Amino acid sequence: AQSVTQPDIHITVSEGASLELRCNYSYGATPYLFWYVQSPGQGLQLLLKYFSGDTLVQGIKGFEAEFKRSQSSFNLRKPSVHWSDAAEYFCAVGARNAGNMLTFGGGTRLMVKP
Amino acid sequence: DAEITQSPRHKITETGRQVTLACHQTWNHNNMFWYRQDLGHGLRLIHYSYGVQDTNKGEVSDGYSVSRSNTEDLPLTLESAASSQTSVYFCASSTLAGGLNEQFFGPGTRLTVL
Repeated sequence: AQSVTQPDIHITVSEGASLELRCNYSYGATPYLFWYVQSPGQGLQLLLKYFSGDTLVQGIKGFEAEFKRSQSSFNLRKPSVHWSDAAEYFCAVGARNAGNMLTFGGGTRLMVKP
Repeated sequence: DAEITQSPRHKITETGRQVTLACHQTWNHNNMFWYRQDLGHGLRLIHYSYGVQDTNKGEVSDGYSVSRSNTEDLPLTLESAASSQTSVYFCASSTLAGGLNEQFFGPGTRLTVL
């Protein structure tokens, strides 16, 4: 069975600083990988996804993520954080032979200092 | 625009009562999912459905049931609510086309069991 670990429960960055949120997964083959963002009181919105091909994927709101097979990682990055990026971020993995089910990490709450 | 809605958005109930949470999507998606979100656990899958008359148990299905009588709706029923079922519940849907695709999430239902 697949699993996802987000090592950082909380991260605080200053507005304008760069951001990297960590995600490690466990799965025996090449996974489908997703990053979702949840603003307070809202549902989850997809930021980006990786299925195959180029290991650096671009998403919405200026986010990108890099799939590193050797490290079983799919870290989310943004070069300059805006106050509106404050939210909770979830990494998720889907198995290619398990239908459309996703396994989510525990989430990372991002706070942005002015 | 297509969307996925949940009702009610907030619910307070008493231990032992039966509760039904509604989920309605207008994406015409085959796949629908119910998750619960608890601090430190991310989202955990309760039940899911790949089409009409199809239902399957997820990771944390005990005490919950679903039924799928049409494409648009997947109501979640708590047969006898327990305080451990106090949580935020999210419904999601996705299409089968093209393999594993992103899930679209509803706004969530906050359930409190007293």
